Amino acid sequence: AQTVTQSQPEMSVQEAETVTLSCTYDTSESDYYLFWYKQPPSRQMILVIRQEAYKQQNATENRFSVNFQKAAKSFSLKISDSQLGDAAMYFCAYSGIQGAQKLVFGQGTRLTINP
Amino acid sequence: DTAVSQTPKYLVTQMGNDKSIKCEQNLGHDTMYWYKQDSKKFLKIMFSYNNKELIINETVPNRFSPKSPDKAHLNLHINSLELGDSAVYFCASSPKSFGYNEQFFGPGTRLTVL
Repeated sequence: AQTVTQSQPEMSVQEAETVTLSCTYDTSESDYYLFWYKQPPSRQMILVIRQEAYKQQNATENRFSVNFQKAAKSFSLKISDSQLGDAAMYFCAYSGIQGAQKLVFGQGTRLTINP
Repeated sequence: DTAVSQTPKYLVTQMGNDKSIKCEQNLGHDTMYWYKQDSKKFLKIMFSYNNKELIINETVPNRFSPKSPDKAHLNLHINSLELGDSAVYFCASSPKSFGYNEQFFGPGTRLTVL
């Protein structure tokens, strides 16, 4: 079974600075998808960024980028120029392509932005 | 227009009661899901339906029974509620059940069992 681990329960960063959230996963599949979701206090789950495992190029979405290391099974999220609105729980998630799709989530990292 | 909606958003009830949570999506998606987020914020899949057919059942107690009257709706009925059922329940939908499909989440239903 696939597992996703986020080893940082909490992180904090000064506004306008850069922060990196860590995620590792375990799978025997060779092709899969990885995601970062944001959950602000409103509780809504918001997709931040996704990465297809077969793509070597790291995904980027504006101020959000990932460092995908397939051999190390590592998938970190970098947030540049942090803004107050980035404060939220961040979840790393895995989805295989074999069989019915389901998201396997990590434990989450609570990100605080200090003004 | 709300893409994935859930009712109610909050539900407070006594142990032993039976309750239902409703989910509707207007995205035309074939696949719908129920996830449970516990008090430690851990999210785990419970069920998935594709075109009204159950395709994922993740060792959830029999007290939980999903029902999909049509592909736009997936309801969750819980019998004999227990304290441990207190959680936030999220409904989600995606275009298909296989390959890559972005899952769109509802706003969640916070269930509190007293």
